[in-house]
Amino acid sequence: SQQGEEDPQALSIQEGENATMNCSYKTSINNLQWYRQNSGRGLVHLILIRSNEREKHSGRLRVTLDTSKKSSSLLITASRAADTASYFCATDGGAQKLVFGQGTRLTINP
Amino acid sequence: NAGVMQNPRHLVRRRGQEARLRCSPMKGHSHVYWYRQLPEEGLKFMVYLQKENIIDESGMPKERFSAEFPKEGPSILRIQQVVRGDSAAYFCASSPRAASGNTIYFGEGSWLTVV
Repeated sequence: SQQGEEDPQALSIQEGENATMNCSYKTSINNLQWYRQNSGRGLVHLILIRSNEREKHSGRLRVTLDTSKKSSSLLITASRAADTASYFCATDGGAQKLVFGQGTRLTINP
Repeated sequence: NAGVMQNPRHLVRRRGQEARLRCSPMKGHSHVYWYRQLPEEGLKFMVYLQKENIIDESGMPKERFSAEFPKEGPSILRIQQVVRGDSAAYFCASSPRAASGNTIYFGEGSWLTVV
């Protein structure tokens, strides 16, 4: 079954607004990670949250994890044009590999 | 410390030819992962290797695809007799330990186009 389903598939907002993306998964996990991918480039790691953590911050990023609902959210505050990218969540499900969702395509309009 | 290096970045092959994609992990990393990304989709796991060993190849197509990570040199993803459906971006990632609970670091990808 597909782990890490992101929602929405696409999001377009004005520069300066906050962007929220959600990720749902099906099986138990040890941790959940968020990655960013600019068009035509590789993935860049943003943040890792462990299953015993509920919230984590890194600069303008805030990640929450609700293991009872099997969901996570990524909030980007005060968005910038450079934040335009696709964002993926990835789960390990206890295995030695990461399973990625389909991603959210975020567009920041100037 | 250079990142994960993949080459070639772009590769064009005719149907029936072979494609070889190379990946040099970050220094000190002995775990390598290959993922495939179709246009407008997420990454799909293909194979996980440690030096000289295939640990998990559950995402590899049963035919035409193979991967290795020799004691010396880069990891190689080999696709024999390519078909149009093989056109995709192939990403390599590495980590110093198994992915579970740890960050993996991605290369810039190899874009394969089959014509």
